[in-house]
Formats: sequence, C-alpha cells, structure tokens
Amino acid sequence: GAGVSQTPSNKVTEKGKYVELRCDPISGHTALYWYRQSLGQGPEFLIYFQGTGAADDSGLPNDRFFAVRPEGSVSTLKIQRTERGDSAVYLCASSVDAAMGGYTFGSGTRLTVV
Amino acid sequence: QKEVEQNSGPLSVPEGAIASLNCTYSDRGSQSFFWYRQYSGKSPELIMSIYSNGDKEDGRFTAQLNKASQYVSLLIRDSQPSDSATYLCAVKKTSYDKVIFGPGTSLSVIP
Repeated sequence: GAGVSQTPSNKVTEKGKYVELRCDPISGHTALYWYRQSLGQGPEFLIYFQGTGAADDSGLPNDRFFAVRPEGSVSTLKIQRTERGDSAVYLCASSVDAAMGGYTFGSGTRLTVV
Repeated sequence: QKEVEQNSGPLSVPEGAIASLNCTYSDRGSQSFFWYRQYSGKSPELIMSIYSNGDKEDGRFTAQLNKASQYVSLLIRDSQPSDSATYLCAVKKTSYDKVIFGPGTSLSVIP
C-alpha cells in the first residue's frame, strides 16, 4: 500500500482479555518494527522482523506479548491477559531493509485496558 | 544511564528564531543517527539522518554530529509556528540493529 496501515486505530479491552493488533507495511518493505509509546515518552522498541523471522525480540516485555509475520508482509502483535499497564499507542513501522535507518510509521493503535 | 537522552523541554522560541535541540547517547559505537518530528496525536516522521561527524543541511534543518562527544543536535532556522512539535532523537548501533528513541523535546514556536 501507499503507507503503513494499522488496525484497529483504537481498541478498548477489559483487563485479562486477549487482543490482536495488525500492521500492513508498505509494499516491498522487508523490515517491519513494533514500538509502543506512552504519553510524554519516546517510542519503546518491542520487536522487529526482517522478512518472516523475528530478527530481534529483545524489547517484548514478557511472555504475554508475541508477534508474527508469517508471509513476510502483514504482522500481528498479540497480547494475552492484558493488564492496565499495557495501555499505550502501539506503533508499527517499516523500511525497505533493516539496514535502512529511516522508518515510515503507521498511524498507530491506541490500546486502552480498563 | 539511558541510551538516548534529550531535554524534555518545553523549548519556546519566537517565530523566525533558531531552535536548537540537543541529544546525547551512551553507546560510543553507534553508527546512525536520526531526528523524527512528532505532532501531537500523530506518528513520528523522519526529518533528518546523519552518519558521519560534521553538519548536514536540508532546507531549514541542520543536523550536527560529534561522535567523540557522543552528541547530536538539530538546528531549525527561521522557525515557524508549524514547527511546533516534539522532536525525537534516535540512534542505531549497527546497520541491522533496531533504532532506539530518546524521550523527545517539545518545541513551541511563538508567533
């Protein structure tokens, strides 16, 4: 697509529920990144994919968080047993290749856990 | 020590003035440096990248890098109210490493 598409744009869920956040990168971009951003803070790295494989998942805070990119395009970030502290804007970005430093971000998914 | 540090601001400058934004990083081996602009409620957008010591100019923006001092800066000349945003400094250690963002500096340009 023309830009990075993230769905849904907003998600409200109850504590303990499971959520999935989707990211559709720019066509042809092999690298895909997930960050989360809390109010007043910079984006915090979660995980990145080069192709289908997770090249670096060191930012995932715990085993409740998991991400996949099975065909090397669309990625899904999955959060189990959500907690109120998971509330943030989840940002997805893509680049032509992981060696390229300039990312294009999507508009984000605002997750609110109540 | 945080990997990327910035003054949180807010930094206020009058319209037409030069805005100077500063950033320091902790890993001396870092290779790539970026400035992103983020308007309130929007996503970050890349405005400058710099890889070697010295200055890099793009229109009203100049990025400056001093690896010996582990310091990156962004100068905005002839500041406009539309430049009011949060500016994020970002650093990459190696080519295939992830980008680490600083906390951002809020800039307000007063008409």
